[in-house]
Amino acid sequence: QSALTQPASVSGSPGQSITISCTGSSSDVGGHNLVSWYQQHPGKAPKLMIFEDTKRPSGISNRFSGSKSGNTASLTISGLQAEDEADYYCCSYAGSTTWVFGGGTKLTVL
Amino acid sequence: QLQLQESGPGLVKPSETLSLTCTVSGGSISSSSYYWGWIRQPPGKGPEWIGTVHYSGTTYYNPSLKSRLTISVDTSKGQFSVKLSSVTAADTAVFYCARLYVPGYFDYWGQGTLVTVSS
Repeated sequence: QSALTQPASVSGSPGQSITISCTGSSSDVGGHNLVSWYQQHPGKAPKLMIFEDTKRPSGISNRFSGSKSGNTASLTISGLQAEDEADYYCCSYAGSTTWVFGGGTKLTVL
Repeated sequence: QLQLQESGPGLVKPSETLSLTCTVSGGSISSSSYYWGWIRQPPGKGPEWIGTVHYSGTTYYNPSLKSRLTISVDTSKGQFSVKLSSVTAADTAVFYCARLYVPGYFDYWGQGTLVTVSS
């Protein structure tokens, strides 16, 4: 069970859009429609932003969207705001009642 | 509003057993729709799923930790617990408890508790 692969960092200016990728395998990301994304500010618990590849929980801004192609899932944040600066993690069901997280991506808003 | 709160020692000696409890409030731990999970995050690293328990007592463990791991639930107290034996410095991490909507996602998290393994 290997961690999902995410870029270490991404950056963007306020108002721009950024995309964070999350690459796994056919056993996890590509095999199930069960990728979730979490936002984590320093010293805080992760917060669910996207579930089941593309769905947003109640209360999450529509500036956050999820997509998937093959074994790679993506989180897109449009209209970047200063408060979006955080670490982002993907997570996928990996079969056999196991779950695997990504290594995380640090988003910097310039 | 559902709340989860981790509790337990913040310092554990090498080779000993790490024990943490998560108390669930504002909702029932005995919902058939949800499982309850433990996730850890070593300093500066990504989270790692440790294991999951259902109120019925069914458990699922990370294969890499299974030989050292026990997760249990006490529905009368609204709590679930994790025990990790034979710890080393590599087990130092912030430990989170969370609610898992099977099979998909962790929707409520505790604030996390740092456990340091050191003599």
